[in-house]
Amino acid sequence: GAGVSQTPSNKVTEKGKYVELRCDPISGHTALYWYRQSLGQGPEFLIYFQGTGAADDSGLPNDRFFAVRPEGSVSTLKIQRTERGDSAVYLCASSLLPNYGYTFGSGTRLTVV
Amino acid sequence: ELKVEQNPLFLSMQEGKNYTIYCNYSTTSDRLYWYRQDPGKSLESLFVLLSNGAVKQEGRLMASLDTKARLSTLHITAAVHDLSATYFCAVDGGRMLTFGGGTRLMVKP
Repeated sequence: GAGVSQTPSNKVTEKGKYVELRCDPISGHTALYWYRQSLGQGPEFLIYFQGTGAADDSGLPNDRFFAVRPEGSVSTLKIQRTERGDSAVYLCASSLLPNYGYTFGSGTRLTVV
Repeated sequence: ELKVEQNPLFLSMQEGKNYTIYCNYSTTSDRLYWYRQDPGKSLESLFVLLSNGAVKQEGRLMASLDTKARLSTLHITAAVHDLSATYFCAVDGGRMLTFGGGTRLMVKP
């Protein structure tokens, strides 16, 4: 596609529920990144995929967070047992080459009530 | 651990004035990005600075990088209202970007 697509754009869920956030990167981009942006702060790194494998997941805050990219294209960020502190905008980015020329999606705004 | 600090965090300025936003980072990197973010929107890439002494300009914005001082600046010349947004610098640490806290710029008529 022309850009990085993220769905849904907004998600409201109850505390304790499970959510999935989807990222569709630019076609042909092998590197994919997830970031989380809390209100009034800069984005924070969560996980980086090179192809199908997670090359670096050091930013995932705990084991409730998990991400997959089974075919090296679309990625899904999964959050179990959501907490109010998980409320944030989740941004996805992709790049043709690792660590160069990132394109960010519009984000998914997650609200846990 | 790479740390990135921006200052000021908030900047209110009059149209027509000049100002500079500073981005300091803690460990060696030769790749730095500047992004603009409008409220409720995603990140728009402004500049990629790839080497020491790099300077790039686009319209009223000019960015520079001093890798020895671990400092980048974003200079605004003759500000206009349309530049009102939040500006982030981000340093490439090898596997991910580390962002500064952002500078919220408000340009008043």
